[in-house]
Amino acid sequence: GAVVSQHPSRVICKSGTSVKIECRSLDFQATTMFWYRQFPKQSLMLMATSNEGSKATYEQGVEKDKFLINHASLTLSTLTVTSAHPEDSSFYICSASPTSGGRDTQYFGPGTRLTVL
Amino acid sequence: DQQVKQNSPSLSVQEGRISILNCDYTNSMFDYFLWYKKYPAEGPTFLISISSIKDKNEDGRFTVFLNKSAKHLSLHIVPSQPGDSAVYFCAASEENNFNKFYFGSGTKLNVKP
Repeated sequence: GAVVSQHPSRVICKSGTSVKIECRSLDFQATTMFWYRQFPKQSLMLMATSNEGSKATYEQGVEKDKFLINHASLTLSTLTVTSAHPEDSSFYICSASPTSGGRDTQYFGPGTRLTVL
Repeated sequence: DQQVKQNSPSLSVQEGRISILNCDYTNSMFDYFLWYKKYPAEGPTFLISISSIKDKNEDGRFTVFLNKSAKHLSLHIVPSQPGDSAVYFCAASEENNFNKFYFGSGTKLNVKP
Protein backbone atom coordinates (compact mmCIF):
# COMPACT_ATOMS: atom_id res chain seq x y z
CA GLY A 1 0.00 0.00 0.00
CA ALA A 2 0.90 3.65 -0.23
CA VAL A 3 3.36 4.86 2.39
CA VAL A 4 3.70 8.32 3.87
CA SER A 5 6.58 9.11 6.17
CA GLN A 6 7.13 11.97 8.59
CA HIS A 7 10.32 13.23 10.08
CA PRO A 8 11.06 13.70 12.88
CA SER A 9 8.69 11.48 14.82
CA ARG A 10 9.32 13.41 17.99
CA VAL A 11 10.90 16.78 18.67
CA ILE A 12 11.47 18.83 21.79
CA CYS A 13 12.47 22.44 21.39
CA LYS A 14 12.83 25.63 23.38
CA SER A 15 10.27 28.37 23.22
CA GLY A 16 11.04 30.85 20.45
CA THR A 17 12.76 28.42 18.12
CA SER A 18 11.44 27.15 14.80
CA VAL A 19 10.80 23.53 13.99
CA LYS A 20 10.49 21.93 10.56
CA ILE A 21 8.49 18.77 9.99
CA GLU A 22 8.77 16.84 6.74
CA CYS A 23 6.08 14.76 5.09
CA ARG A 24 7.03 12.45 2.24
CA SER A 25 5.02 10.17 0.00
CA LEU A 26 7.39 7.28 -0.59
CA ASP A 27 5.83 5.34 -3.44
CA PHE A 28 3.42 7.71 -5.13
CA GLN A 29 3.14 11.28 -6.29
CA ALA A 30 0.89 13.55 -4.34
CA THR A 31 -0.37 16.78 -5.83
CA THR A 32 -2.08 17.53 -2.56
CA MET A 33 -0.93 17.00 1.00
CA PHE A 34 -2.74 17.88 4.18
CA TRP A 35 -1.55 18.94 7.61
CA TYR A 36 -3.55 18.08 10.71
CA ARG A 37 -3.15 18.78 14.37
CA GLN A 38 -4.44 16.64 17.18
CA PHE A 39 -4.76 17.64 20.81
CA PRO A 40 -5.04 14.88 23.43
CA LYS A 41 -8.35 13.04 23.27
CA GLN A 42 -9.57 15.32 20.52
CA SER A 43 -10.12 14.88 16.82
CA LEU A 44 -7.69 15.49 14.01
CA MET A 45 -8.18 19.08 12.94
CA LEU A 46 -7.24 20.08 9.42
CA MET A 47 -4.80 23.00 9.50
CA ALA A 48 -4.03 23.49 5.84
CA THR A 49 -4.04 21.95 2.41
CA SER A 50 -0.70 21.94 0.66
CA ASN A 51 -0.66 22.03 -3.12
CA GLU A 52 2.48 21.33 -5.11
CA GLY A 53 3.78 24.45 -6.78
CA SER A 54 1.27 26.84 -5.24
CA LYS A 55 0.45 28.47 -1.93
CA ALA A 56 -1.14 26.43 0.80
CA THR A 57 -4.75 26.94 1.75
CA TYR A 58 -5.18 27.50 5.47
CA GLU A 59 -8.24 26.70 7.54
CA GLN A 60 -9.96 29.41 9.46
CA GLY A 61 -8.13 30.31 12.65
CA VAL A 62 -4.77 28.90 11.55
CA GLU A 63 -2.01 31.52 11.35
CA LYS A 64 -0.26 31.15 8.03
CA ASP A 65 2.75 33.18 9.20
CA LYS A 66 3.21 30.88 12.14
CA PHE A 67 2.71 27.59 10.34
CA LEU A 68 4.68 27.86 7.11
CA ILE A 69 3.96 25.21 4.53
CA ASN A 70 6.09 24.44 1.51
CA HIS A 71 5.13 21.78 -1.04
CA ALA A 72 8.19 21.92 -3.26
CA SER A 73 7.79 18.60 -5.05
CA LEU A 74 5.20 15.92 -5.71
CA THR A 75 6.58 13.84 -2.87
CA LEU A 76 7.52 16.35 -0.18
CA SER A 77 5.69 18.90 1.93
CA THR A 78 7.15 20.66 4.95
CA LEU A 79 5.49 22.36 7.89
CA THR A 80 7.57 24.88 9.81
CA VAL A 81 6.31 26.01 13.19
CA THR A 82 7.91 29.41 13.61
CA SER A 83 8.75 30.94 16.97
CA ALA A 84 7.22 27.97 18.74
CA HIS A 85 5.51 28.43 22.09
CA PRO A 86 4.30 25.86 24.63
CA GLU A 87 0.74 26.15 23.31
CA ASP A 88 2.01 24.83 19.96
CA SER A 89 2.85 21.53 21.62
CA SER A 90 0.73 18.98 19.86
CA PHE A 91 0.67 15.98 17.57
CA TYR A 92 1.06 17.01 13.94
CA ILE A 93 0.10 14.55 11.26
CA CYS A 94 0.19 14.82 7.50
CA SER A 95 -1.64 12.98 4.78
CA ALA A 96 -1.14 12.74 1.06
CA SER A 97 -3.55 12.13 -1.75
CA PRO A 98 -2.28 10.51 -4.98
CA THR A 99 -2.63 12.59 -8.09
CA SER A 100 -5.16 10.17 -9.51
CA GLY A 101 -6.80 9.30 -6.22
CA GLY A 102 -10.47 9.08 -5.32
CA ARG A 103 -12.31 9.92 -2.15
CA ASP A 104 -10.90 7.00 -0.19
CA THR A 105 -7.30 7.72 -1.03
CA GLN A 106 -5.79 9.88 1.63
CA TYR A 107 -2.78 8.20 3.19
CA PHE A 108 -1.54 9.32 6.57
CA GLY A 109 1.90 9.63 8.02
CA PRO A 110 2.71 8.37 11.52
CA GLY A 111 2.72 11.84 13.00
CA THR A 112 5.18 14.10 14.80
CA ARG A 113 4.96 14.82 18.51
CA LEU A 114 6.10 18.40 19.15
CA THR A 115 6.88 19.51 22.69
CA VAL A 116 7.82 23.14 23.23
CA LEU A 117 9.45 23.87 26.57
CA ASP B 1 -17.62 23.46 16.37
CA GLN B 2 -17.31 19.70 16.17
CA GLN B 3 -19.23 18.52 13.12
CA VAL B 4 -18.36 14.87 13.63
CA LYS B 5 -18.65 13.35 17.07
CA GLN B 6 -17.69 10.05 18.59
CA ASN B 7 -19.17 10.14 22.05
CA SER B 8 -17.61 6.95 23.35
CA PRO B 9 -13.89 7.43 24.00
CA SER B 10 -13.40 3.73 24.65
CA LEU B 11 -15.05 0.35 24.17
CA SER B 12 -14.11 -3.05 25.51
CA VAL B 13 -15.36 -6.23 23.85
CA GLN B 14 -14.70 -9.92 24.26
CA GLU B 15 -13.00 -11.73 21.40
CA GLY B 16 -15.54 -13.30 19.05
CA ARG B 17 -18.32 -10.86 19.96
CA ILE B 18 -19.53 -7.88 17.97
CA SER B 19 -17.96 -4.44 18.32
CA ILE B 20 -20.18 -1.48 17.50
CA LEU B 21 -18.60 1.93 17.17
CA ASN B 22 -20.83 4.94 16.76
CA CYS B 23 -20.47 8.30 15.10
CA ASP B 24 -22.81 11.28 14.79
CA TYR B 25 -22.58 14.28 12.53
CA THR B 26 -24.33 17.62 12.23
CA ASN B 27 -23.56 18.80 8.70
CA SER B 28 -26.25 17.71 6.23
CA MET B 29 -23.88 18.48 3.34
CA PHE B 30 -21.67 15.53 4.20
CA ASP B 31 -22.10 12.91 1.52
CA TYR B 32 -19.19 10.57 2.15
CA PHE B 33 -18.12 8.88 5.34
CA LEU B 34 -15.02 6.94 6.22
CA TRP B 35 -13.64 4.90 9.07
CA TYR B 36 -9.95 4.87 9.86
CA LYS B 37 -8.04 2.63 12.21
CA LYS B 38 -4.98 3.81 14.09
CA TYR B 39 -2.38 1.81 15.96
CA PRO B 40 0.04 3.56 18.35
CA ALA B 41 2.94 5.31 16.61
CA GLU B 42 1.35 4.78 13.20
CA GLY B 43 -0.81 6.96 11.00
CA PRO B 44 -4.51 6.24 10.54
CA THR B 45 -5.21 3.68 7.84
CA PHE B 46 -8.36 3.55 5.77
CA LEU B 47 -10.79 0.82 6.77
CA ILE B 48 -14.11 1.26 5.03
CA SER B 49 -16.28 4.00 3.58
CA ILE B 50 -19.86 4.66 2.58
CA SER B 51 -21.53 7.09 0.25
CA SER B 52 -24.71 8.85 1.34
CA ILE B 53 -26.63 7.11 -1.46
CA LYS B 54 -26.23 3.87 0.47
CA ASP B 55 -27.22 2.81 3.94
CA LYS B 56 -24.88 -0.12 4.30
CA ASN B 57 -21.47 -1.19 3.07
CA GLU B 58 -19.82 -4.44 3.98
CA ASP B 59 -16.24 -5.61 3.68
CA GLY B 60 -15.46 -8.91 5.33
CA ARG B 61 -15.86 -8.57 9.09
CA PHE B 62 -16.51 -4.84 8.82
CA THR B 63 -19.86 -3.27 8.05
CA VAL B 64 -20.73 0.40 8.11
CA PHE B 65 -24.34 1.50 8.51
CA LEU B 66 -25.56 4.99 7.66
CA ASN B 67 -28.78 6.53 8.95
CA LYS B 68 -29.06 9.86 7.16
CA SER B 69 -32.23 10.98 8.90
CA ALA B 70 -30.56 10.53 12.27
CA LYS B 71 -27.19 11.76 10.99
CA HIS B 72 -25.65 8.69 12.50
CA LEU B 73 -23.30 6.02 11.32
CA SER B 74 -21.89 2.97 12.97
CA LEU B 75 -19.12 0.48 12.33
CA HIS B 76 -19.75 -3.14 13.17
CA ILE B 77 -16.92 -5.59 13.55
CA VAL B 78 -17.88 -9.21 13.82
CA PRO B 79 -16.35 -11.36 15.05
CA SER B 80 -13.98 -9.08 16.93
CA GLN B 81 -10.36 -10.15 17.18
CA PRO B 82 -7.57 -8.99 19.53
CA GLY B 83 -5.76 -7.52 16.50
CA ASP B 84 -8.69 -5.14 16.06
CA SER B 85 -7.65 -3.34 19.22
CA ALA B 86 -6.87 0.20 18.05
CA VAL B 87 -8.33 3.69 17.92
CA TYR B 88 -11.07 4.08 15.33
CA PHE B 89 -11.79 7.44 13.76
CA CYS B 90 -14.90 8.38 11.89
CA ALA B 91 -14.52 11.02 9.15
CA ALA B 92 -16.83 12.83 6.76
CA SER B 93 -16.50 15.02 3.70
CA GLU B 94 -18.63 17.12 1.37
CA GLU B 95 -18.90 16.56 -2.37
CA ASN B 96 -17.73 20.04 -3.29
CA ASN B 97 -14.65 19.80 -1.08
CA PHE B 98 -14.09 16.10 -0.84
CA ASN B 99 -10.46 16.28 0.21
CA LYS B 100 -11.34 18.07 3.41
CA PHE B 101 -12.04 15.51 6.10
CA TYR B 102 -13.80 16.25 9.33
CA PHE B 103 -12.77 13.75 11.97
CA GLY B 104 -14.33 12.56 15.17
CA SER B 105 -12.23 12.31 18.31
CA GLY B 106 -11.84 8.56 18.05
CA THR B 107 -12.92 5.51 20.01
CA LYS B 108 -10.34 3.23 21.53
CA LEU B 109 -11.40 -0.37 21.04
CA ASN B 110 -9.97 -3.08 23.25
CA VAL B 111 -10.76 -6.65 22.25
CA LYS B 112 -10.03 -8.99 25.10
CA PRO B 113 -8.83 -12.54 24.36
